[in-house]
Amino acid sequence: EAQVTQNPRYLITVTGKKLTVTCSQNMNHEYMSWYRQDPGLGLRQIYYSMNVEVTDKGDVPEGYKVSRKEKRNFPLILESPSPNQTSLYFCASGRWASGGSNQPQHFGDGTRLSIL
Amino acid sequence: RKEVEQDPGPFNVPEGATVAFNCTYSNSASQSFFWYRQDCRKEPKLLMSVYSSGNEDGRFTAQLNRASQYISLLIRDSKLSDSATYLCVVNGGSSASKIIFGSGTRLSIRP
Repeated sequence: EAQVTQNPRYLITVTGKKLTVTCSQNMNHEYMSWYRQDPGLGLRQIYYSMNVEVTDKGDVPEGYKVSRKEKRNFPLILESPSPNQTSLYFCASGRWASGGSNQPQHFGDGTRLSIL
Repeated sequence: RKEVEQDPGPFNVPEGATVAFNCTYSNSASQSFFWYRQDCRKEPKLLMSVYSSGNEDGRFTAQLNRASQYISLLIRDSKLSDSATYLCVVNGGSSASKIIFGSGTRLSIRP
């Protein structure tokens, strides 16, 4: 079954304690991306990757890191989480067509992070 | 000005009604356009891509107007199950590989 898998689904942690949210896709997609969703603000892109070892900042990258060492995995790292990073996070993947157009994305189920 | 703007709604319409959503985007170089639906606190799911010539999928019709930089979604004969938030998605912004979501339009269908 084609899917994007995020873990954990829920996490409550404390300020400053490093955490990693994993994301894995089994569709051989080139493009992977992380979003956060907050009430009234919609989905905002944090980081994206167009292929292995190619990552770039989205609209809200501050306080986050990513890596793309393998095509299927795109972890999101919060080195020193703060309460303003409490949010619902989605990972997504999709094809990246030559010429600069995105194909539709498939989303993971989401990770609800609470930073106390 | 936001890069992608949608009317937040909510739209509250009776079952069987036709409802239309519009979305405007600011980057004339954008090439990819989509409508997604999102049920409460669930992941967004692709509803349909939007092509230059317009496209239809059952009760749903999407159109793109590049000159005016807006896309639209029309839902005919609405069903209770159409209640959701509809998200307009555009690529571009300062980089063609970035993806910008509108903040969504909430639709509620009443019996």
